[in-house]
Amino acid sequence: GQQVMQIPQYQHVQEGEDFTTYCNSSTTLSNIQWYKQRPGGHPVFLIQLVKSGEVKKQKRLTFQFGEAKKNSSLHITATQTTDVGTYFCAEKDNAGNMLTFGGGTRLMVKP
Amino acid sequence: DADVTQTPRNRITKTGKRIMLECSQTKGHDRMYWYRQDPGLGLRLIYYSFDVKDINKGEISDGYSVSRQAQAKFSLSLESAIPNQTALYFCATSSRGLPWEQYFGPGTRLTVT
Repeated sequence: GQQVMQIPQYQHVQEGEDFTTYCNSSTTLSNIQWYKQRPGGHPVFLIQLVKSGEVKKQKRLTFQFGEAKKNSSLHITATQTTDVGTYFCAEKDNAGNMLTFGGGTRLMVKP
Repeated sequence: DADVTQTPRNRITKTGKRIMLECSQTKGHDRMYWYRQDPGLGLRLIYYSFDVKDINKGEISDGYSVSRQAQAKFSLSLESAIPNQTALYFCATSSRGLPWEQYFGPGTRLTVT
């Protein structure tokens, strides 16, 4: 089956620093979704990227889909303590039936 | 009220016991999913159902079974629980069409001793 690799697994940053997590696949991705899971919580949908080279922004969050549709990234500018949590990318399979999640990047922010 | 609910929220059980985790949703979605979360492994799909008569195995279905009792209800059973099934279990739903985003329940923390 398709595999989605996510790096880094953990990231500690000082509040105000930027943060980026990367999602990579050896095969072309049909689309990519990003989710955030707060500590003790459940995953919550953030965004979906479909087009090659697509860039979407949500306030301090910038999401990119690679030109070859084999990678994606989530960048947070000037992190805040409210950004703490685990960020997952997820790829929908070619048949459109299932999501395959990356292992997640756990973000910790020091105030 | 939450759109996707799971019961129980926490459960401790012994090896060999049968246990059922239940999921209900009020979103009116056709599609429902069961995932397992282990540290560092993300979420792995156990079973999914696209309607009441459609049940499909996911990535890690061995040792699990499911029942879709109604559009709004999807239960996960461990016929004979074993310690390596200790994990956080999430139910999720999605609509039939775009954007296929999934809505997750609050999770059930299961410990098998």
